[in-house]
Amino acid sequence: EIVMTQSPATLSVSPGERATLSCRASQSVTSNLAWYQQKPGQAPRLLIYGASNRATGIPARFSGSGSGTEFTLTINILQSEDFAFYYCQQYFNWPSITFGQGTRLEIK
Amino acid sequence: EVQLVESGGGLVQPGRSLRLSCAASGFTFDDYAMHWVRQAPGKGLEWVAGISWNSGYTGYADSVKGRFTISRDTAKNSLYLQMNSLRAEDTALYYCAATSGTSFNWFDPWGQGTLVTVSS
Repeated sequence: EIVMTQSPATLSVSPGERATLSCRASQSVTSNLAWYQQKPGQAPRLLIYGASNRATGIPARFSGSGSGTEFTLTINILQSEDFAFYYCQQYFNWPSITFGQGTRLEIK
Repeated sequence: EVQLVESGGGLVQPGRSLRLSCAASGFTFDDYAMHWVRQAPGKGLEWVAGISWNSGYTGYADSVKGRFTISRDTAKNSLYLQMNSLRAEDTALYYCAATSGTSFNWFDPWGQGTLVTVSS
């Protein structure tokens, strides 16, 4: 099983600033990585697939980068609605699909 | 409007069974592999099971293999999860989600989930 490790567990950032979230895979997943946003009481929402492709309707302030084992989700000019949980997910080793444990992005 | 609506959750005793359903609408069901993803209270996401667009392939997480069975009915645009020998650690919100194409990849869209509580 490929283990996905996200850091930090909690990230405190002020509105208007940039947030950088990290995801590391225990072995290479090439570019087979997705990012999701989840707000309390809601289902996850796809943000990024293929490591760097924004999903339909996702604002340009969200961007993904990386390949292999190291990945980054960057959120520029944080808006109030961006404070939520974020999860990475690998699908390289399907059907054994695995998620990271999540990063909580909170208002500083 | 693309929609996935789960049902069938509830309170069940350990060792008993439960069947979850997911009704899909607003997209071509046959074009998508379908999955169940769960989230225990206050915890992260865990992929549970997936089924290919034509039911030719199924996959399961080790934690449920041999106890859970995923299936789909194309005529009814519906996905199912038969859960047997339930354990306390199966308590979670169960989401139905889709992945496009012939492989299991990224999940989009998602349903709102149905809560399963395993307790005596």
